[in-house]
Amino acid sequence: LAKTTQPISMDSYEGQEVNITCSHNNIATNDYITWYQQFPSQGPRFIIQGYKTKVTNEVASLFIPADRKSSTLSLPRVSLSDTAVYYCLVGELYTGGFKTIFGAGTRLFVKA
Amino acid sequence: NAGVTQTPKFQVLKTGQSMTLQCAQDMNHNSMYWYRQDPGMGLRLIYYSASEGTTDKGEVPNGYNVSRLNKREFSLRLESAAPSQTSVYFCASKEVVYNEQFFGPGTRLTVL
Repeated sequence: LAKTTQPISMDSYEGQEVNITCSHNNIATNDYITWYQQFPSQGPRFIIQGYKTKVTNEVASLFIPADRKSSTLSLPRVSLSDTAVYYCLVGELYTGGFKTIFGAGTRLFVKA
Repeated sequence: NAGVTQTPKFQVLKTGQSMTLQCAQDMNHNSMYWYRQDPGMGLRLIYYSASEGTTDKGEVPNGYNVSRLNKREFSLRLESAAPSQTSVYFCASKEVVYNEQFFGPGTRLTVL
């Protein structure tokens, strides 16, 4: 399983764009990159997933360079409600099971 | 659609007692997971079940057993609870070909 490294915490202000980078130097060919968001006292919630280049949905964008050794989650114009922990996961989609490693995540604090 | 449900929501045990945490999903997912989350930490995988009839150990399986009762239900048993098992337990499910896991609301367990 590829190990991931993320910043422990980040601060931002409302309306700013936030970029959270995740390093995964030993990512394997079949691995996908997935990001989750977790609010206090709740289970994590899926945000976005990608394999290479750029993926965008209504919530975020995910940028993956050609070597795939890192990825960046981009949250446009954050609000106070985006204060949460963000987890980067790397693993295969399916090999008879998906053994997930969440890590400590990045605590994002959005200020007014 | 209830998604992933967990019972109980809260539980206090004494050291040495046993209990079973219940999890059920109504999304017809094949894969199910049990995680624990200690205060201020990320999630750690205890056990997972790729499909009905199969279970595999995760990162921290010691002190736990699981049963994949049918496609809907995946239970976690603590045979002899210890204070080190005080944590929040999350159950999750996902479909085989996607990395989006759906999480339950969690069970807060305290072992005295």
